Amino acid sequence: DAKTTQPPSMDCAEGRAANLPCNHSTISGNEYVYWYRQIHSQGPQYIIHGLKNNETNEMASLIITEDRKSSTLILPHATLRDTAVYYCIVFPSNTGKLIFGQGTTLQVKP
Amino acid sequence: AAGVIQSPRHLIKEKRETATLKCYPIPRHDTVYWYQQGPGQDPQFLISFYEKMQSDKGSIPDRFSAQQFSDYHSELNMSSLELGDSALYFCASSPPTGHPEAFFGQGTRLTVV
Repeated sequence: DAKTTQPPSMDCAEGRAANLPCNHSTISGNEYVYWYRQIHSQGPQYIIHGLKNNETNEMASLIITEDRKSSTLILPHATLRDTAVYYCIVFPSNTGKLIFGQGTTLQVKP
Repeated sequence: AAGVIQSPRHLIKEKRETATLKCYPIPRHDTVYWYQQGPGQDPQFLISFYEKMQSDKGSIPDRFSAQQFSDYHSELNMSSLELGDSALYFCASSPPTGHPEAFFGQGTRLTVV
């Protein structure tokens, strides 16, 4: 499984866009990029995933670079409830398991 | 919408006792994952099942075992409990091939005293 690197923590002002980066320079062609978040002591929550095209859903947008070596999760209008640990995970489609590395603790401030 | 159901939500056991955690996946999901999350740690993958067969294994102690039953629910059996087994245990399920995102339950908080 490709290794990911994320900053340990980030702050964001409420109402502003939160841009969370992730490096996955060893990603292979059949590996997807997944984003999950975990609000304190709750079960991790799926946010979005993508292979090579940018993706958008009701929660967030995922921007994947053309070489697929990095990606950015965008929360367009962060709220206090978006304060959580955000995990970037890569693994082959439809197989394997989610390996949670050290995510990014996003603190949304009023 | 139905979610992943875990029971019990909280469990207190003494050292050397056994514990059984249960997980009921979302209907029509055929894959179940188990994770352990100690205080201040990231979730650690323990084991997974696909169509009632073990599909992958992580850092699961030999004292632990798990299975997935014909109705797709899963149980994690933990024996000879140690203080270090105190943690949140999450179960997740994912649907058949084509929708690989996993949905997590709210977890079981196990406290070993």
